[in-house]
Amino acid sequence: KNQVEQSPQSLIILEGKNCTLQCNYTVSPFSNLRWYKQDTGRGPVSLTIMTFSENTKSNGRYTATLDADTKQSSLHITASQLSDSASYICVVSSGGGGSQGNLIFGKGTKLSVKP
Amino acid sequence: NAGVMQNPRHLVRRRGQEARLRCSPMKGHSHVYWYRQLPEEGLKFMVYLQKENIIDESGMPKERFSAEFPKEGPSILRIQQVVRGDSAAYFCASSQDIPSTDTQYFGPGTRLTVL
Repeated sequence: KNQVEQSPQSLIILEGKNCTLQCNYTVSPFSNLRWYKQDTGRGPVSLTIMTFSENTKSNGRYTATLDADTKQSSLHITASQLSDSASYICVVSSGGGGSQGNLIFGKGTKLSVKP
Repeated sequence: NAGVMQNPRHLVRRRGQEARLRCSPMKGHSHVYWYRQLPEEGLKFMVYLQKENIIDESGMPKERFSAEFPKEGPSILRIQQVVRGDSAAYFCASSQDIPSTDTQYFGPGTRLTVL
């Protein structure tokens, strides 16, 4: 069964600290993996999208890694800011055409950055 | 280029009434998706449409829910005879290309409250 598991479920860190969010998936075949940020009360915003051949991709203070062999991805946030408080969602695409059923969403990690 | 637009942002209905949610995709995007998010839950896929066609409705409840994306005008998610369990945030997303390869851009959501 295709699944995307994220950990931790929630995380509290102090402003200025770094943190890493995890995403494990059992999706086959694999096409790409995406990380989204969802602020409370808003729609998700895309952070990164990585294909099979990409190991790392950065977007400002956000760095995503992908290990296609172990089927794991991480999202590292450097020098956290209060505005980083949000839910971070991992989404894996199994490709193979146009069906939306090929996108599998994780439940997200809720990050709170405290001053 | 305006982003994905949804209206209304908040909708209150009494049990048994109908709810109509509208979504205007980004300019140039012909693929539209609807998602439902319950409080403290992840996004759940409902339906994927491409101009005048329903491509994948595997996430739609069998009764009371319908969606359309006419040749002209916004996409509409229609919920008939709403019940309290329909209370949720409904997000629309759009993409230029097929969902397995292209980034989806999300709207701000419509928060439906059923009294």
